[in-house]
Amino acid sequence: GAVVSQHPSWVICKSGTSVKIECRSLDFQATTMFWYRQFPKQSLMLMATSNEGSKATYEQGVEKDKFLINHASLTLSTLTVTSAHPEDSSFYICSARDPGAGGSATGELFFGEGSRLTVL
Amino acid sequence: QKEVEQDPGPLSVPEGAIVSLNCTYSNSAFQYFMWYRQYSRKGPELLMYTYSSGNKEDGRFTAQVDKSSKYISLFIRDSQPSDSATYLCAMSDPGGYQKVTFGTGTKLQVIP
Repeated sequence: GAVVSQHPSWVICKSGTSVKIECRSLDFQATTMFWYRQFPKQSLMLMATSNEGSKATYEQGVEKDKFLINHASLTLSTLTVTSAHPEDSSFYICSARDPGAGGSATGELFFGEGSRLTVL
Repeated sequence: QKEVEQDPGPLSVPEGAIVSLNCTYSNSAFQYFMWYRQYSRKGPELLMYTYSSGNKEDGRFTAQVDKSSKYISLFIRDSQPSDSATYLCAMSDPGGYQKVTFGTGTKLQVIP
């Protein structure tokens, strides 16, 4: 299946600093990528939809100035957590849909390995 | 009421058992149904992907969708210790960017 690479896999930072997480589709082009957040024993919560060449679409309750998303190319989307605080500590996962897989309009959704952020 | 309901478990079964995992949903617009497996501290891995109602089989895994009841199931035959993971159901509608809604996941432990 398609591969989505996420980096870093884990990061520890001090409160008030900014952290950037990268999401790359390695063997396909992804015009749309999705960013999720997952708390322990909870489901994946969609934060935003990242669109190549345009602004991201944020879900209700997600601060766009807090979680900056940039989708500069068809294979790379970045999530920057600005002025991170301990409550931002979480598991962040990106995903991308490979339109060439599955033979359907939606394609299959492939996930990165996730990035665990710990804010001290 | 959540759009997707899934029993969080944990579910503990002996090796070789048949496992049944289920989700219910409320949004009748959902057309695409997926099951993901997630190991601890890893991203979800797609197991099964079905469209509309019916059954789909892949090796030891069978996915069933009953849209009339808004109920989906994943069956695992001859369960193995390596199947121990959290299983997430997910579904989406055909519109927009096909936003995917996930269940909370069921933690499965297969005991050797």
